[in-house]
Amino acid sequence: GAVVSQHPSRVICKSGTSVKIECRSLDFQATTMFWYRQFPKQSLMLMATSNEGSKATYEQGVEKDKFLINHASLTLSTLTVTSAHPEDSSFYICSARDEVYSSRNTEAFFGQGTRLTVV
Amino acid sequence: QKEVEQNSGPLSVPEGAIASLNCTYSDRGSQSFFWYRQYSGKSPELIMFIYSNGDKEDGRFTAQLNKASQYVSLLIRDSQPSDSATYLCAVKMSSYKLIFGSGTRLLVRP
Repeated sequence: GAVVSQHPSRVICKSGTSVKIECRSLDFQATTMFWYRQFPKQSLMLMATSNEGSKATYEQGVEKDKFLINHASLTLSTLTVTSAHPEDSSFYICSARDEVYSSRNTEAFFGQGTRLTVV
Repeated sequence: QKEVEQNSGPLSVPEGAIASLNCTYSDRGSQSFFWYRQYSGKSPELIMFIYSNGDKEDGRFTAQLNKASQYVSLLIRDSQPSDSATYLCAVKMSSYKLIFGSGTRLLVRP
């Protein structure tokens, strides 16, 4: 069954506006969540690791000021795409780690994803 | 060298045949390996994971791991047209993040 839920599943926004995407762990507390991005016909690429109560860790080449991550509670991380441009149009997917029951491999299960289209 | 490599395909097999999907990885210290199926426009769905050398079977799927050769494969027996999708191989790093291959597109012909 699903271990994380994302919202919204699909969003269209105008160029220059900001969009917030939520990722919630459903039945466990997650100190660590992962944000991935997938462009059409490409594989998933990790954007950043979200850490509850501290700053996110961004992968090389990902602009931290453009992709704001807030992990304010143990069940919710948000990704805000600021000043979105058409090149930010992509499929954004999250996962979350269950630190208590690590054998569940919850970080390997993805939410339904958010398809962002910037027009 | 990419950390996780897959042949992009497409791999075309007739219905009922065995589909063999391959993946190599560069980090010899990697411990956990995952196979996903992704239909167009959908999120990846975890099929199997494997930690130990050898085979792991789950229904029509068998994952094979050879750490000495840094090679992991997925066999799909009795392939069905509904198995047509992109299959992603992923390796979990010590930081728990996943590194993905580029995926192999599988086409099962009726």
